[in-house]
Amino acid sequence: AQTVTQSQPEMSVQEAETVTLSCTYDTSESDYYLFWYKQPPSRQMILVIRQEAYKQQNATENRFSVNFQKAAKSFSLKISDSQLGDAAMYFCALDMRFGAGTRLTVKP
Amino acid sequence: KAGVTQTPRYLIKTRGQQVTLSCSPISGHRSVSWYQQTPGQGLQFLFEYFSETQRNKGNFPGRFSGRQFSNSRSEMNVSTLELGDSALYLCASSLARIRTANTGELFFGEGSRLTVL
Repeated sequence: AQTVTQSQPEMSVQEAETVTLSCTYDTSESDYYLFWYKQPPSRQMILVIRQEAYKQQNATENRFSVNFQKAAKSFSLKISDSQLGDAAMYFCALDMRFGAGTRLTVKP
Repeated sequence: KAGVTQTPRYLIKTRGQQVTLSCSPISGHRSVSWYQQTPGQGLQFLFEYFSETQRNKGNFPGRFSGRQFSNSRSEMNVSTLELGDSALYLCASSLARIRTANTGELFFGEGSRLTVL
């Protein structure tokens, strides 16, 4: 069975600072795909970043990057230079299984 | 092109009733997955359909069922509603798939908010 665990229900960051959201997962597959999705308040879920498990290089999308540790089954999201618009629920996903989410607050 | 469309957006039912929710995926997307979102549980995977076949199923009771039509539109049904079924039900469509793994981005609809009284 595939499981995704996000152990931080809430996180807070000062505008322009860096924050890291944690995610661990479990799967018996060797090839799989990991995702971070963002759900702004009252808005649709959108993809932030994607990582293919067979690629050792960590994915990066502008201010968003991941730290993918395959052996440890860890997949954290780093947001650099945080902006007010980054405030949202962030969900880690393995294939179509999602974690419980982390609510990120950005303080001006 | 048009995004994922879910109907109805809001609905109120009473315990014991049944409900059917509809999802129209992005044109060309053959995979449709359903999720239940509640404040404490995050997104819980219900099931996924690919080319009219249920490919994956989450840990929900048999009261939750779904189907997919030849045009990829999907419906989910919940029978004998319980208070705990109150939630936002999200549908997502995807283009890319290899074997049983979703390889591509999920595109989500705005959801159907169900309230059970």
